[in-house]
Amino acid sequence: DIQMTQSPSALSAYVGDRVTVTCQASQGIRDYLNWYQQKPGKAPKLLIYDASNLETGVPSRFSGSGSGTHFTFTISSLQPEDIGIYYCQQYDDIPYTFGQGTKLEIK
Amino acid sequence: QVQLQESGPRVVKPSGTLSLTCTISGGSFDTYYWTWIRQPAGRGLEWIGRIYVNGNTNYNPSLKSRITMSVDTSKNQFTLNLSSVSAADTAVYYCARDRGTYAHGSDFDPWGQGTLVIVSS
Repeated sequence: DIQMTQSPSALSAYVGDRVTVTCQASQGIRDYLNWYQQKPGKAPKLLIYDASNLETGVPSRFSGSGSGTHFTFTISSLQPEDIGIYYCQQYDDIPYTFGQGTKLEIK
Repeated sequence: QVQLQESGPRVVKPSGTLSLTCTISGGSFDTYYWTWIRQPAGRGLEWIGRIYVNGNTNYNPSLKSRITMSVDTSKNQFTLNLSSVSAADTAVYYCARDRGTYAHGSDFDPWGQGTLVIVSS
């Protein structure tokens, strides 16, 4: 299985801060990488697909980059509604696998 | 707008079979893979497997010996059966659409709201 390692596992930042989460794949996955946001008691929501494409309706403060084994997810200006857990997910090979998640809180 | 809804028993006895159904509404059932994902309480996400409308399946090797998925095109439904369950199978189970092609998967959107299944006697 392809292992996806996210860092940090938890993050606390101020409103307006730039926030970055990284995701490292155990082998190259081209740009077959997605990012999801999950709020308590809710299903994950797709934010970024194919490493860098913003899903329709998702605010432009969210962005993604990377290819191969190293990927980055960024919130350019953190908003209060952005709290939740963020997951990366690879679809280069079955079984599709997720990172362990990054819990984002507001200071 | 495509919507998914999981249904099935909330409690399953140890060594029994967990059976869930996902009903799709508001969109095409064809041309996509339909997926099951689970999440134990307070933990991360695990891809269980997927099924295409023609019945083609891919399963997570860690669960493969216990999984059966099926599809009912007349009802726009697909189902998950997980046999020989234990407490480790207690989780929220989600169904989701894989927006990829038949040849290759992609992202998951939309998702059902999820259903909690508890394995307990």
